[in-house]
Amino acid sequence: AQKVTQAQTEISVVEKEDVTLDCVYETRDTTYYLFWYKQPPSGELVFLIRRNSFDEQNEISGRYSWNFQKSTSSFNFTITASQVVDSAVYFCALSEAFGNEKLTFGTGTRLTIIP
Amino acid sequence: DVKVTQSSRYLVKRTGEKVFLECVQDMDHENMFWYRQDPGLGLRLIYFSYDVKMKEKGDIPEGYSVSREKKERFSLILESASTNQTSMYLCASTGGVRRHYNEQFFGPGTRLTVL
Repeated sequence: AQKVTQAQTEISVVEKEDVTLDCVYETRDTTYYLFWYKQPPSGELVFLIRRNSFDEQNEISGRYSWNFQKSTSSFNFTITASQVVDSAVYFCALSEAFGNEKLTFGTGTRLTIIP
Repeated sequence: DVKVTQSSRYLVKRTGEKVFLECVQDMDHENMFWYRQDPGLGLRLIYFSYDVKMKEKGDIPEGYSVSREKKERFSLILESASTNQTSMYLCASTGGVRRHYNEQFFGPGTRLTVL
């Protein structure tokens, strides 16, 4: 069975600080996908990134970066120089690489950026 | 842009009522999903469908049924609503191997309250 753990329930940081959201996953599949989604106060989930299990390169997109480490089954998300607009709930998720594409979500981390 | 729409943002129903939640996507996606989101539990899969008239149970199907008569529309049905079904319901779709594989696009959600 697949499982995603986001141990940090809530995080608060002051604006411009860096913050890392942790994600640890469990799966028996050798091929899988990992995702991060953002849910702002409006409620709609916004796709941030998808990572294939064969690609362990870190990725950077503006102030966002992701660190995928297969050895520790982790896929952590860092926001550099945080802004108030980053305040949201962030979900990490896992899916099979083939088949029905259903996602297994973590319980989410509520991030609050204090002005 | 992919668009997933849900019939209502907010819904209030009484215990025992039959409730229909509608979801429509405009990208000719094969796969559609219904999740419910509860504080501290993340998103949990209720049902999914990978083709018209095809459906499969997710992790928490009890008390729910679904209908997919047309490719673009996936309905979630609460046959007899109960207070423990008060939640946020999110619909999602993916394109399957031909398009948008493994990237789920979400609707804005329906916040259902059962009194």
